[in-house]
Amino acid sequence: DIQMTQSPSTLSASVGDRVTITCRASQSISNWLAWYQLKPGKAPNLLIYRASDLKSGVPSRFSGSGSGTEFTLSINSLQPDDFASYYCQQYDSYSLTFGQGTKVELK
Amino acid sequence: QVQLQESGPGLVKPSETLSLTCAVSGYSLSSGYYGGWIRQPPGKGLEWIGSIYYSGTTYNNPSLKSRITISVDTSKNQFSLRVTSVTAADTALYYCAIGDYFYYMDVWGKGTTVTVSS
Repeated sequence: DIQMTQSPSTLSASVGDRVTITCRASQSISNWLAWYQLKPGKAPNLLIYRASDLKSGVPSRFSGSGSGTEFTLSINSLQPDDFASYYCQQYDSYSLTFGQGTKVELK
Repeated sequence: QVQLQESGPGLVKPSETLSLTCAVSGYSLSSGYYGGWIRQPPGKGLEWIGSIYYSGTTYNNPSLKSRITISVDTSKNQFSLRVTSVTAADTALYYCAIGDYFYYMDVWGKGTTVTVSS
């Protein structure tokens, strides 16, 4: 099974900051990676798919990059609505695995 | 606008079967889709449970495979999850989600909490 290691587990930041979350795969997954945003009581939101494709309607301050085993999610100019948890998810051979999650909190 | 709504008992006794349904509105499942179930135990991260193609082909997490059944009812525009022989470890917030492709889930429900306790 492919394991996903996400870091950091918690990130303290201020409005306007640029933040970066990293996800590493235990073996190459090409660009089969997605990023999701989770907020309590709300439906999770797909942000990025195929490592760097922004889902329609998602603000352009979100971006994804990487391929192979190392991937990043960046948020430019953090907004109040962005304080949430973020998860990466890989696809391999009709199996999905999530990273452990990163909570972005107010500094 | 596509919306998903999970439903089912909030409390299940140990060793019994957990059954959840995901009702889909704003999209016809028979048009082609992948449906998935994901859960989040209290204080923990997300775990993929399994997925189903609209044709009925299923894909399950190997760690849960023998206890999981996912099915679809296109006449009711919904898909379902059954987990047998539940234990406290199955206590979680359960989400359903759909997507055009297997490898990511485009639209999610808000989730439903299931507690396993006697």
